[in-house]
Amino acid sequence: AQTVTQSQPEMSVQEAETVTLSCTYDTSESDYYLFWYKQPPSRQMILVIRQEAYKQQNATENRFSVNFQKAAKSFSLKISDSQLGDAAMYFCATGTASKLTFGTGTRLQVTL
Amino acid sequence: NAGVTQTPKFQVLKTGQSMTLQCAQDMNHEYMSWYRQDPGMGLRLIHYSVGAGITDQGEVPNGYNVSRSTTEDFPLRLLSAAPSQTSVYFCASSYSPGGNTEAFFGQGTRLTVV
Repeated sequence: AQTVTQSQPEMSVQEAETVTLSCTYDTSESDYYLFWYKQPPSRQMILVIRQEAYKQQNATENRFSVNFQKAAKSFSLKISDSQLGDAAMYFCATGTASKLTFGTGTRLQVTL
Repeated sequence: NAGVTQTPKFQVLKTGQSMTLQCAQDMNHEYMSWYRQDPGMGLRLIHYSVGAGITDQGEVPNGYNVSRSTTEDFPLRLLSAAPSQTSVYFCASSYSPGGNTEAFFGQGTRLTVV
């Protein structure tokens, strides 16, 4: 069984600033993946970044990076140089592409 | 490329009615899944399929049926709708089941059962 916990229902960041969204997880799998998905008001689920658990190096995609702490089962998302278009729900997830377990989400507001 | 297409986008049902949510993908993906999204609960897996003719239950399968007669289509059936099934439903597909593959999502169907 897998569980994903996002303890921040809402976060706010000023444009151009940096924000970190938290996520903790639990899994019985020895080899697993972790994901961050973005859901804007359009409802579309968009993959932001993916981390393979056996890789120690933290994944980075442009302004998005993760802090993966395997022993602590923590997988936070850092958004640098925040933009208005980053405003959305962000979901942390684990599992495989066909069977994902999601957290409850963090709503990110971006202010001017 | 259409990707994953869900129809309808919105639907209102009366309690006890049946309906089928359609999902089609044109990427020749073997793996397809259905999720429901409820306020404050994230997305939860209902059913998934690893190929034509093969389906399995996810976390919340009760009240839903699926079948997979072709690679492209993965319909979700509500046999007797209940207000507890009011939700947003997402279909997803992927080339392989592994985590190193991206899951592509449809734009969702908002279902209200009154």
